Amino acid sequence: EAQVTQNPRYLITVTGKKLTVTCSQNMNHEYMSWYRQDPGLGLRQIYYSMNVEVTDKGDVPEGYKVSRKEKRNFPLILESPSPNQTSLYFCASSRRVQETQYFGPGTRLLVL
Amino acid sequence: SQQGEEDPQALSIQEGENATMNCSYKTSINNLQWYRQNSGRGLVHLILIRSNEREKHSGRLRVTLDTSKKSSSLLITASRAADTASYFCVRGDGGSARQLTFGSGTQLTVLP
Repeated sequence: EAQVTQNPRYLITVTGKKLTVTCSQNMNHEYMSWYRQDPGLGLRQIYYSMNVEVTDKGDVPEGYKVSRKEKRNFPLILESPSPNQTSLYFCASSRRVQETQYFGPGTRLLVL
Repeated sequence: SQQGEEDPQALSIQEGENATMNCSYKTSINNLQWYRQNSGRGLVHLILIRSNEREKHSGRLRVTLDTSKKSSSLLITASRAADTASYFCVRGDGGSARQLTFGSGTQLTVLP
């Protein structure tokens, strides 16, 4: 089954404790991206990747890192999480950037 | 990827009625996509319409695109309670092949 998986689905952590949210797709897609969704603000892009070893900042990259060492994986790293990073996070992938986006189920993060 | 304009922000209708949501934009586009999001879940692709197309159908969904007015609409006919969700338009901007622009979404509530 074609899908995008994210782990963990729920995470409660404390300020400053490094964490990684994994994202994996099994569709051999070139384009992958991370979004955060906050009430009243819609989806905002954090980082995106056009292909392996090619990543770029989206609209709200501060406080986040990504890597794309393999085509299928695109982890999101929070080196020192802060409460303002409490949000619902989505990973998405597509064959090309402006084609149909396949979204993961979301990761709900709470930073205390 | 700045927010687009979606109208209305919220819509409440009775089961069986039609629901129309609109999306307006300011720059040229390559294509426009509509997605549905059930509460707290990942977005699900509904329809993609290219800039040289005027109308597309998928089941009870009808999407129109008017590039001269820079607007698109999503019509859901004979709505059901299960159609209750947020609906987003996502534009593939024409100026840069790397850009996707998300609308702010319309929250549709279908009352049984």
